[in-house]
Amino acid sequence: SYVLTQTPSVSVAPGQTARITCGGDNIGSKSVHWYQQKPGQAPVLVIYYDSDRPSGIPERFSGSNSGNTATLTISGVEAGDEADYYCQVWDSSSDQSVFGGGTKLTVL
Amino acid sequence: QVQLVQSGAEVKKPGASVKVSCKASEYTFTDYYIYWVRQAPGQGLEWMGWINPSSGGTNYAQGFQGRVTMTRDTSISTAYLDLSRLNSDDTAVYFCARNRDRGPYSGYAHWGQGTLVSVSS
Repeated sequence: SYVLTQTPSVSVAPGQTARITCGGDNIGSKSVHWYQQKPGQAPVLVIYYDSDRPSGIPERFSGSNSGNTATLTISGVEAGDEADYYCQVWDSSSDQSVFGGGTKLTVL
Repeated sequence: QVQLVQSGAEVKKPGASVKVSCKASEYTFTDYYIYWVRQAPGQGLEWMGWINPSSGGTNYAQGFQGRVTMTRDTSISTAYLDLSRLNSDDTAVYFCARNRDRGPYSGYAHWGQGTLVSVSS
């Protein structure tokens, strides 16, 4: 089955830019979605179709996807962005989905 | 707006089964697949499978095949997750979710609040 690999943790100072990566074999050929999850809460979709933002998600959140790596970029990081972030793709060969292992974003 | 409301927490003994419900509202239930995702304590999200509420068709992740059954009752816009032969590794929060758009590709824009299933002797 398809495997997505995420760095377990990323730390960034407030106001700086956080980049969270998601690696997968030729992931650039798939649509990647990103979720933010805070403790005790359900995940929230922050990026879909690689780079689209749902309504209500700040413009600080952006996404890109090419080759073997998809990236979630959070510009001007705020304390409230501290959370776990998960990437997800749909594997059309199996008609199933898969999540990455998650990245914990710490705001210093 | 779209709502998915799940049943309450469950405590089960090893070897037992559990059934979690997910009641949908404010949209046409049969127009969107329902997906199930679980999260063990301190762990990441694990995709379990989907059900097509219109046809009843299902697709389960390989790790759950033979133990999981997803069903629905269209008359009350409710999807169900049945997991059998529980063991301590099944202790987790179970979420139902719905896609942003019709079809499987658009990401899960709507989530239930989660149901904690605890398995302990």
